[in-house]
Amino acid sequence: KNQVEQSPQSLIILEGKNCTLQCNYTVSPFSNLRWYKQDTGRGPVSLTIMTFSENTKSNGRYTATLDADTKQSSLHITASQLSDSASYICVVMEDSGGGADGLTFGKGTHLIIQP
Amino acid sequence: EAQVTQNPRYLITVTGKKLTVTCSQNMNHEYMSWYRQDPGLGLRQIYYSMNVEVTDKGDVPEGYKVSRKEKRNFPLILESPSPNQTSLYFCASSFRRGRFTGELFFGEGSRLTVL
Repeated sequence: KNQVEQSPQSLIILEGKNCTLQCNYTVSPFSNLRWYKQDTGRGPVSLTIMTFSENTKSNGRYTATLDADTKQSSLHITASQLSDSASYICVVMEDSGGGADGLTFGKGTHLIIQP
Repeated sequence: EAQVTQNPRYLITVTGKKLTVTCSQNMNHEYMSWYRQDPGLGLRQIYYSMNVEVTDKGDVPEGYKVSRKEKRNFPLILESPSPNQTSLYFCASSFRRGRFTGELFFGEGSRLTVL
């Protein structure tokens, strides 16, 4: 069964510090991986997508990496701000030929930025 | 403005009283899906739809029904709600190209309490 494991489950850091969130997956065959940000009480919003051929992609202070060989991705946040406090969800898409939607969700990492 | 609209946003009901949570998207997306989110469990898929008149069970479909009579609407029906269906519910939509599902656009969520 396809699985997506995220670590840590929760993380508290001080404003201005950097942090890295991890996503390990067993989904195969792999199509793409997305990171979503979910503010408290709101719906998730896509931050970035990583495809098989991409190793690194940046979106402002967010940098995602992908190692398709080890089936790992990370999301690095630089110079954290209070607005970065949220849950970050990793979603992996399978390149499935069947009728299923091919999406597997991680349980998310809950990040708290303290002033 | 491109959006996914859910109603109601908040609802308190009693066991056994049928209710419907509506979901509507204005992006002409083929794919729509319902999730529930509970503490520590992440987003779990209830039902999804690849297109009009096509629906499939997700991971936790028991106690729920859906229909997809129109492309823009995907209502979630709880025929006889029970307290274990107390949760935060999200609807999402996306384009669908061949066997690939694109970026998910989520609604703002519907918080349901069943007494």
